[in-house]
Amino acid sequence: ETGVTQSPTHLIKTRGQQVTLRCSSQSGHNTVSWYQQALGQGPQFIFQYYREEENGRGNFPPRFSGLQFPNYSSELNVNALELDDSALYLCASSLAGVQNYGYTFGSGTRLTVV
Amino acid sequence: GNSVTQMEGPVTLSEEAFLTINCTYTATGYPSLFWYVQYPGEGLQLLLKATKADDKGSNKGFEATYRKETTSFHLEKGSVQVSDSAVYFCALSVSAGNQFYFGTGTSLTVIP
Repeated sequence: ETGVTQSPTHLIKTRGQQVTLRCSSQSGHNTVSWYQQALGQGPQFIFQYYREEENGRGNFPPRFSGLQFPNYSSELNVNALELDDSALYLCASSLAGVQNYGYTFGSGTRLTVV
Repeated sequence: GNSVTQMEGPVTLSEEAFLTINCTYTATGYPSLFWYVQYPGEGLQLLLKATKADDKGSNKGFEATYRKETTSFHLEKGSVQVSDSAVYFCALSVSAGNQFYFGTGTSLTVIP
């Protein structure tokens, strides 16, 4: 079975720009979650998508938005980039019912905002 | 609220030493507990999990026991190897929620 794949692996953007990050979930997984991991910190929950709808959101502003597609792949969009948005963005897929199964994480996209 | 507190690192051990990484939690419901490992330049990999009190999760020589009375889930390994060098994250999810709460991570370096 294939794991979670994310693209691109690295990205450099200028403050104020917009960025789109992409994620293909593990085969058979119907739920996708996005996390932001700042340097030296644990991942922070951004939001989760299930059946193409947002199914929970962490403490992130509306300029963080997402999509899930019928094949369960997903995008994370960030508008009006700020320097503090520099981080590793992790996509994780799971079957509905995260508690028992845990996540499968991708390797992440390293975003640098300059 | 829900949160995880991990022992701060970095931790440096000699090969074959005993490892303990402390993790305590607070949770509003009945959490499941997890340990994830992150190798340099990679995403997080599930190491082990426990879904109810007194459960012991184990994998690759690592163990952790869900202790409800002390709200803890300490990670242990009897004999570490150089290949165990990584960052370890303790995490929880609650029955009514849809997100994980992670600790800040503990960096482990094992020297030959």
